[in-house]
Amino acid sequence: IAGITQAPTSQILAAGRRMTLRCTQDMRHNAMYWYRQDLGLGLRLIHYSNTAGTTGKGEVPDGYSVSRANTDDFPLTLASAVPSQTSVYFCASSDRRGQEKLFFGSGTQLSVL
Amino acid sequence: AQRVTQPEKLLSVFKGAPVELKCNYSYSGSPELFWYVQYSRQRLQLLLRHISRESIKGFTADLNKGETSFHLKKPFAQEEDSAMYYCALRGFGGNEKLTFGTGTRLTIIP
Repeated sequence: IAGITQAPTSQILAAGRRMTLRCTQDMRHNAMYWYRQDLGLGLRLIHYSNTAGTTGKGEVPDGYSVSRANTDDFPLTLASAVPSQTSVYFCASSDRRGQEKLFFGSGTQLSVL
Repeated sequence: AQRVTQPEKLLSVFKGAPVELKCNYSYSGSPELFWYVQYSRQRLQLLLRHISRESIKGFTADLNKGETSFHLKKPFAQEEDSAMYYCALRGFGGNEKLTFGTGTRLTIIP
């Protein structure tokens, strides 16, 4: 079934550890996004990529990095996790450089202790 | 800067009663507005967008540029409408990313 796959589904992580959240889509969408969802704050954009080989910073990029080596994959890396990065992370994609609706993954629940 | 405000974090409505989820925005141009919904144990998905001017699952939303609002309405609430609703804005002219509001959790009381 076409769509977006995120892994892992959930993770408990010690502060200071490095963690990569994986996101893969098979819809050949150009644009991909990482959001974090926090109670009372809604969805906030972390990083985005309009096309393979390019990335950009969103609203809350500090402490996160991304790469877009190909169209399908858009991993999000926390170089040294901190408790404030405890959140639900959603990957999304859209066609035509963001002109169409977003398709979301099922999310990754991350707890940093 | 673009901003989306959803003043209600929680909203409870009796089944059969009208529903209105409020959304206000600030943007210096002509934005595109959306409503996204997340049902329990499902992925976040698009409910409707203002340029389509359509009714989805009985919901409608009209863009009011004078009041900078895009409220979501349904005349008769159903239990399956219980979900988290997000209003979102996309600007034009190079700033094409979606900005989401803080969300409203709607609970329909049987």
